[in-house]
Amino acid sequence: GQQLNQSPQSMFIQEGEDVSMNCTSSSIFNTWLWYKQDPGEGPVLLIALYKAGELTSNGRLTAQFGITRKDSFLNISASIPSDVGIYFCAGQGAQKLVFGQGTRLTINP
Amino acid sequence: NAGVTQTPKFRVLKTGQSMTLLCAQDMNHEYMYWYRQDPGMGLRLIHYSVGEGTTAKGEVPDGYNVSRLKKQNFLLGLESAAPSQTSVYFCASQRSGGLLNSYEQYFGPGTRLTVT
Repeated sequence: GQQLNQSPQSMFIQEGEDVSMNCTSSSIFNTWLWYKQDPGEGPVLLIALYKAGELTSNGRLTAQFGITRKDSFLNISASIPSDVGIYFCAGQGAQKLVFGQGTRLTINP
Repeated sequence: NAGVTQTPKFRVLKTGQSMTLLCAQDMNHEYMYWYRQDPGMGLRLIHYSVGEGTTAKGEVPDGYNVSRLKKQNFLLGLESAAPSQTSVYFCASQRSGGLLNSYEQYFGPGTRLTVT
C-alpha cells in the first residue's frame, strides 16, 4: 500500500530556532495535509495543500506541495514553547488519508 | 459547533469484555473514520464509512466492528477486548471526496482505552 516517509522522527531545538520537516512518498498525491497533535489531544489541521508547487503560510508555519507531487515540506519559523508536539503529514489516497509516522518536536527554553 | 466528539474519554476493560465507543459530528460530513494510535506507530486506520449505512475495512480491522446507522454517528465496537487493543482511539470526519477542500479530516479528542 501507499506509505509516507516523514523525517526527522524527532527534533530537539532551542526556542527561537527555525524548524524544517518533510514527507516523501513513492506515490503521487493530489492533496497534502499537515497536522499537529498536542499531548493528550487529537490532531489539529494546520495547513492543506491542493496544487503542485503551492506554497501556503499559516502564521509562522509555511508548507509546500512538491512539484513532483511526491513530497511536501513544513517549516516553522522562530519556534516558541507552544510549538511542542507531534507533527503529521498526510496524503490523500482513495477515500482515505495516508499518514506519516510523525515528527516529535521538543523545544528547550 | 462542537465539531467531532467522542465518548467516553477513558475506559478500563478486562480481557474478554465488550464495549462501544461513540463518535458524533455536527458538521454534516459524509465520511467518518476510526483510527488507533500506539507509541511510535502513528495513526492506523481501523474502519471507515463514506456514508450512512456503509462501512469499509481499513488497515487494522481485526477485532473491531463498526456501524453508521445515522450520518452524524459512527460507532466502534470491541466484542471481546484483548490487551493488544490497549491504545488511544481517534475518530475523524471529512466532508466528502472529489471536491476541493473536501479531503480535510477533523479529529475528535480521543478515547484512551486500557485492557487488562
